[in-house]
Amino acid sequence: AQSVTQPDIHITVSEGASLELRCNYSYGATPYLFWYVQSPGQGLQLLLKYFSGDTLVQGIKGFEAEFKRSQSSFNLRKPSVHWSDAAEYFCAVVTTSGTYKYIFGTGTRLKVLA
Amino acid sequence: NAGVTQTPKFRILKIGQSMTLQCTQDMNHNYMYWYRQDPGMGLKLIYYSVGAGITDKGEVPNGYNVSRSTTEDFPLRLELAAPSQTSVYFCASASGGLYEQYFGPGTRLTVT
Repeated sequence: AQSVTQPDIHITVSEGASLELRCNYSYGATPYLFWYVQSPGQGLQLLLKYFSGDTLVQGIKGFEAEFKRSQSSFNLRKPSVHWSDAAEYFCAVVTTSGTYKYIFGTGTRLKVLA
Repeated sequence: NAGVTQTPKFRILKIGQSMTLQCTQDMNHNYMYWYRQDPGMGLKLIYYSVGAGITDKGEVPNGYNVSRSTTEDFPLRLELAAPSQTSVYFCASASGGLYEQYFGPGTRLTVT
């Protein structure tokens, strides 16, 4: 069965430091992968997505993610974190058997220290 | 565009009561979804719809019902509320199955 694992429940970084959030997926075929961000009290907003092609994808707010098939990973990165990046981040894979449906990871909550 | 709107924002129910969570989108999206979000559990799909008149179960449909009579509206019905249904509920819409999902602001429901 398809699944998404985000091994880090909480991550704390200092403002200006680099960030990497981990995401591992389990899926037999070529995956369609997404990263969403949820600010406190808000719904989710798309950061970036990977369907095919270049394995390094750029998103909004200075985020990028790299798809590594050999490691079944799709880690999210940002070179320099801003205080406004404090939020919860969700990785998701879309199943393509039957109707397309998202499977979300359990999320990583990011705290940014001033 | 208002995007995806949900009402109410907050609600407290007693065990056994019923209620309907409203969801409306103004983007003419065919696909609509209901999720629940519990702490540390991510989002779980309750029901989804690929167009007016078509609905299907997601991962956790028990205790819920939906209908889709128009493209814009996708209400979620709780018939006999139980404490296990205490959660934050999100509605989302998309123009297609592989496209970005647009989320509403959520409804925080407490059942006591």
